[in-house]
Amino acid sequence: QLQLQESGPGLVKPSETLSLTCTVSGGSISSSSYYWGWIRQPPGKGLEWIGSIYYSGSTYYNPSLKSRVTISVDTSKNQFSLKLSSVTAADTAVYYCARRSAPKDDAFDIWGQGTMVTVSS
Amino acid sequence: QSVLTQPPSVSGAPGQRVTISCTGSSSNIGAGYDVHWYQQLPGTAPKLLIYGNSNRPSGVPDRFSGSKSGTSASLAITGLQAEDEADYYCQSYDSSLSYVFGTGTKVTVL
Repeated sequence: QLQLQESGPGLVKPSETLSLTCTVSGGSISSSSYYWGWIRQPPGKGLEWIGSIYYSGSTYYNPSLKSRVTISVDTSKNQFSLKLSSVTAADTAVYYCARRSAPKDDAFDIWGQGTMVTVSS
Repeated sequence: QSVLTQPPSVSGAPGQRVTISCTGSSSNIGAGYDVHWYQQLPGTAPKLLIYGNSNRPSGVPDRFSGSKSGTSASLAITGLQAEDEADYYCQSYDSSLSYVFGTGTKVTVL
């Protein structure tokens, strides 16, 4: 059974770079049918797609965040990562990694449990 | 940033039927992009409930159903149960090159 697990610092200072990693277990990140993405949820608010990556390295970013976001993949470790630069308090959120499934019409069918990241000095 | 609008809340008694609307535009739902629905229980990650407008993943009860028409979509829950109390989000793709989520709807079981 495929599982995703986020990891990374829970506290980041303003203007610094937020870095998170998602480890995929129970399956290969190199499957041709899936993209891997990041989605965030500020406290008490809705969901926002950040971006997605294919195992080949092709990336797709939310235009509103594109200038600050980098998503990368390490197929040897079955991991993909998120970097968000120049963070502010508005970037405080629960960050989820998720699988986007072509067989399920590109829905996000498997999610990690999420990790809370607070931006504060 | 949500471009898909949902009612903030809906409620119903156990056993009743409730529906949640998801209103978009000609650049997302109206452009023919699929709509998916997620259930988020308190303190947990979202879970895929409906994909491709009306398909249920294995394990999702048939009490949940989805539909799409024009620039809108709907999620129906029939035979409402206490365990259905959660937040529900619709999601689609927008021609602005972004995956977009709805504003979210809190379902309360009276």
